Amino acid sequence: RKEVEQDPGPFNVPEGATVAFNCTYSNSASQSFFWYRQDCRKEPKLLMSVYSSGNEDGRFTAQLNRASQYISLLIRDSKLSDSATYLCVVNGAGNMLTFGGGTRLMVKP
Amino acid sequence: DAGVIQSPRHEVTEMGQEVTLRCKPISGHDYLFWYRQTMMRGLELLIYFNNNVPIDDSGMPEDRFSAKMPNASFSTLKIQPSEPRDSAVYFCASSPRGGWHEQYFGPGTRLTVT
Repeated sequence: RKEVEQDPGPFNVPEGATVAFNCTYSNSASQSFFWYRQDCRKEPKLLMSVYSSGNEDGRFTAQLNRASQYISLLIRDSKLSDSATYLCVVNGAGNMLTFGGGTRLMVKP
Repeated sequence: DAGVIQSPRHEVTEMGQEVTLRCKPISGHDYLFWYRQTMMRGLELLIYFNNNVPIDDSGMPEDRFSAKMPNASFSTLKIQPSEPRDSAVYFCASSPRGGWHEQYFGPGTRLTVT
């Protein structure tokens, strides 16, 4: 079982739609959770940290469910510019960050 | 502020040649990481340094790979000899805190070994 698992997608959604991604992780001792965004042929960039109580940043909402060991990212009112790959990131073995394979989002006009 | 700087951005070389990738972390960041990204395996941690000291190199695929950090502002990743299966994008990242905190990535070096 992979340490961090994501549905690779692609998720094809129209502009203005709401889309949600989930990610599961295997290490129950994990304490740090992030969502990174990676545009095509670019480097990963931190989108947001994920806190136990859930957190929101504009159109983006992240949730953590420790009991079920999954993290979610909700994007409301999708924009064309949201098209990217979203990487779920968790601190795993050796307390280092482990990156999921990413979920590809394509927002269509 | 300047972000993480990597060079070269693209490298094409023939099998058997030595390849050296370079990285300048963000000033003041004590942690430096080297990652490799491929379609098949995603983003993999190769090695990381804390205060210029290599801490964990368990992700380095084999002895052909080596990394150094002679000072706080410079690191190299060397592959000798290179093989076609080394073709990937190599990212350097730095962090002001531990490896389990947010990391800031450089633009990457796209390596093609023919």
